[in-house]
Amino acid sequence: QVQLVQSGAEVKKPGASVKVSCKASGYTFTNYGISWARQAPGQGLEWMGWISAYNGEIKYAQNLQGRVTMTTDTSTTTAHMELRSLRSDDTAVYYCARGASVYGGDFDYWGQGTLVTVSS
Amino acid sequence: QSVLTQPPSVSGAPGQRVTISCTGSSSNTGAGYDVHWYQQLPGRAPKLLIYGNNNRPSGVPDRFSGSKSGTSASLAITGLQAEDEADYYCQSYDSSLSGFVLFGAGTKLTVL
Repeated sequence: QVQLVQSGAEVKKPGASVKVSCKASGYTFTNYGISWARQAPGQGLEWMGWISAYNGEIKYAQNLQGRVTMTTDTSTTTAHMELRSLRSDDTAVYYCARGASVYGGDFDYWGQGTLVTVSS
Repeated sequence: QSVLTQPPSVSGAPGQRVTISCTGSSSNTGAGYDVHWYQQLPGRAPKLLIYGNNNRPSGVPDRFSGSKSGTSASLAITGLQAEDEADYYCQSYDSSLSGFVLFGAGTKLTVL
C-alpha cells in the first residue's frame, strides 16, 4: 500500500532552517511527484511547491521563492523540503503528498504531517 | 486570500443533503482545469475525496459526489452522517503568474 511517512516534529528559532523528510513506499517513486503543503494553526491549506521524482522538475509557490528548496533522493525514495530564514508565521503542520502532475492533478496520498514550531 | 472561494461553514442534520461550493475565475476553474476535493477530519491529514471534478477514489462512499460548471464546482454529500463532520477543501490549478496549485480556504461541515 502507498505510504508517505514524514519526519518528526521540530522546534526552531527565528532565522534558522528546517528540513522535513517524506519517505515514500508502496509505489514506483519515479512515476510521481511530491507536493508540499502547510497548514498554520486553525488555518487552511497552503500549497508550497512540487517536485517531480522522475526528472527533478520543480515548481515553487511564488511567495516562498528563495526560501524553500525541495529535493528527492531516488535511492532512498525520500523527498525533502528545506525552509530557510524561518519566521514565527512559518509555524505550521507541513504535509507531503503524492501527485502525478502539478499541472492540474490531484494529490492522492498524504503524509501524516510534521509540526514545525518557530519560537524564540 | 484564496482565489477559490468556499463558504466558511455549512451544516445539516443526519440524513440530510448538503452542498459546498467552490468558485474560481477565468485563470483556474473557468479555464477548464479540474477541481479536486479533500476531506480533513480533526487532527488528521487531508484525504482525497473527489478527483477530476466528479470521480471518487476507491473506498469513498457514493454519498459523496462532485460537479463542475464554468467557474464553479460543488461537492454534495447525501445521507449525512456524524463522521462526515470535517473540513472540506477544493483544489485546482491556476495559469496566472502567481499560479500553479490553489486550495480553497476550506468549509467546516457541522452535523447537527
